[in-house]
Amino acid sequence: SQTIHQWPATLVQPVGSPLSLECTVEGTSNPNLYWYRQAAGRGLQLLFYSVGIGQISSEVPQNLSASRPQDRQFILSSKKLLLSDSGFYLCAWSPGMGVNTEAFFGQGTRLTVV
Amino acid sequence: AQTVTQSQPEMSVQEAETVTLSCTYDTSESDYYLFWYKQPPSRQMILVIRQEAYKQQNATENRFSVNFQKAAKSFSLKISDSQLGDAAMYFCAYTSYSGGGADGLTFGKGTHLIIQP
Repeated sequence: SQTIHQWPATLVQPVGSPLSLECTVEGTSNPNLYWYRQAAGRGLQLLFYSVGIGQISSEVPQNLSASRPQDRQFILSSKKLLLSDSGFYLCAWSPGMGVNTEAFFGQGTRLTVV
Repeated sequence: AQTVTQSQPEMSVQEAETVTLSCTYDTSESDYYLFWYKQPPSRQMILVIRQEAYKQQNATENRFSVNFQKAAKSFSLKISDSQLGDAAMYFCAYTSYSGGGADGLTFGKGTHLIIQP
């Protein structure tokens, strides 16, 4: 069966510090991968998605970036965090082929920038 | 751009009663998928039900069913025999078929469902 792992679960970082959140998927090949952000009291906003190694599409211009160094690994990064980067970050995957387009989510990372 | 609107920030229902959560969306696509996700206090996103736009029959999963009105671009979720474990945030989501779903989901802002014992 497929599983998705996301870490860390919580993170408190000072303004201006770097960020690295990691997500890995097991039990499937060539998944589509996604990073979403959920601000307090709001829905999920798609930040990045990837359909293959090294292929990253950005939905929202910001100081965050994403990378996919391996087929089932997706990393969210920032060189310098802003207060506005605080939020709940969710990694998700969906099958890379076929029409089963539902997304499966990780446990999420609560990021607080202080 | 596609948008998803959930007009009910919060709903409350008595245990064992039925509740309906509303969702409308805007798209120029003819083929797409719609979903309802549940987010309990643990914040884990859990798929509740999905609907393919080309299917006329409304999707049903046990106590959960949808009323899909394609012309009206409406996609409501009905929860029958509400249980305490149904208490959560519920998000309506959309993805276009043309991208094979690869370009991600567009979410509404959510409805907070409270179950009164």
